Amino acid sequence: EVQLVESGGGLVQPGGSLRLSCAASGFTFSSYWMNWLRQAPGKGLERVASINRNGSDSYYEDSVRGRFTISRDNAKDSLYLQMNSLRAEDTAVYYCVRNRGWEQFDFWGQGALATVSS
Amino acid sequence: QSALTQPRSVSGSPGQSVTISCTGTSGDVGAYNYVSWYQQHPGKAPKLLIYDVSMRPSGVPDRFSGSKSGNTASLTISGLQADDEADYYCCSYGGVHPFGTGTKVTVL
Repeated sequence: EVQLVESGGGLVQPGGSLRLSCAASGFTFSSYWMNWLRQAPGKGLERVASINRNGSDSYYEDSVRGRFTISRDNAKDSLYLQMNSLRAEDTAVYYCVRNRGWEQFDFWGQGALATVSS
Repeated sequence: QSALTQPRSVSGSPGQSVTISCTGTSGDVGAYNYVSWYQQHPGKAPKLLIYDVSMRPSGVPDRFSGSKSGNTASLTISGLQADDEADYYCCSYGGVHPFGTGTKVTVL
């Protein structure tokens, strides 16, 4: 059974940092592109960042480029999102998501809430 | 470039069919057969319902079907059930913003 379990969410002040982690199991982690997607309260879904199978290539949404860093450790079946210089508008539930190909997302974690507020 | 356009809400009675549209451009929906649809119940993570325009993952009932014509994709829910009340999002490869604006389905 495919499982994706996020951790690391919480409350942080504007300008602060958070690191999200995602533990994957039930599939060959190194065979898939992985993504972080987010959903602000009461809003729709937004792609945040993507990373290729071996971690050598990544993509970022314009609003987070230069502030967020996606990475992975295939030996530990884990995905990470380092979020720096956080803003109030980054407040959202962040989902760790497996990409079955061509921006089609077949398995989602339960989500981790990041709240940016003073 | 904007998100894909979906109606804000659709509704139907139990047993009826409803169709949700997802309008993109010739650069995303119209260019690729990589449209997917997701169902999200309140407080839950989204769930993949349809991929590659019309394919259903294992376990998704055949009441859910997808199609595409030109720059518009559609999700049809047949035999509407109470548990179908949820938010639905489309997604297409090729766009800067791959997801649609979302549609709330209400079962009357």
